[in-house]
Amino acid sequence: EVQLVESGGGLIQPGGSLRLSCAATGFTVSNNYVSWVRQAPGEGLDWVSVIYSDGGSYYADSVKGRFIISRDNSKNTVYLQMNSLRAEDTAIYYCTKARDPYSYGGCDSWGQGTLVTVSS
Amino acid sequence: QSALTQPRSVSGSPGQSVTISCTGTTSDVGGYNYVSWYQQRPGKAPKLMIYDVTERPSGVPDRFSGSKSGNTASLTISGLQAEDEADYYCCSFAGSYTFVFGGGTKLTVL
Repeated sequence: EVQLVESGGGLIQPGGSLRLSCAATGFTVSNNYVSWVRQAPGEGLDWVSVIYSDGGSYYADSVKGRFIISRDNSKNTVYLQMNSLRAEDTAIYYCTKARDPYSYGGCDSWGQGTLVTVSS
Repeated sequence: QSALTQPRSVSGSPGQSVTISCTGTTSDVGGYNYVSWYQQRPGKAPKLMIYDVTERPSGVPDRFSGSKSGNTASLTISGLQAEDEADYYCCSFAGSYTFVFGGGTKLTVL
């Protein structure tokens, strides 16, 4: 059974840094692509970043230059390093796995999310 | 990377059909057959309902169907049931290995 478990969220001051983790079981992160999607309180889903099986990483314009996605194959875990955090980064952060690593057509497994609050 | 456009809310009575639209551009919805739809209930993670525009994952009732015409994708729910009340989001591949979501639609079953 596929499971994704996020951790690392919390309260952080503006300008600070935080690293989120997404621990995967039931599939191999290096053979698939994993995305981070966030949801601000009371708002909709917002795609943040993706890391592909070849290691390529891509970002939404709103986080480019501030966030870095990476993975540790030995731990089967994907990370999101978030720097220069802003109030507008406050959200629940979900990691999600592609249904088909060779298609861009949908994500079939989601974690429970971890809450990041950026506030002084 | 502008969000796809969805109606803020739709509603229908049990047994009726409703359609939720998702409008993008030739750079996302219109350019690729990679539209997916997600159902999200309060306090829960999203659930994949449709992938590759028209395909249903196993376990999703066949009351849910997807389609696309030009730059607009649609999710149709027929035979509405009370349990269908939720928020629905579309998502499209947007080229250059990136993705974009719609703003979300709140479905109310009257």
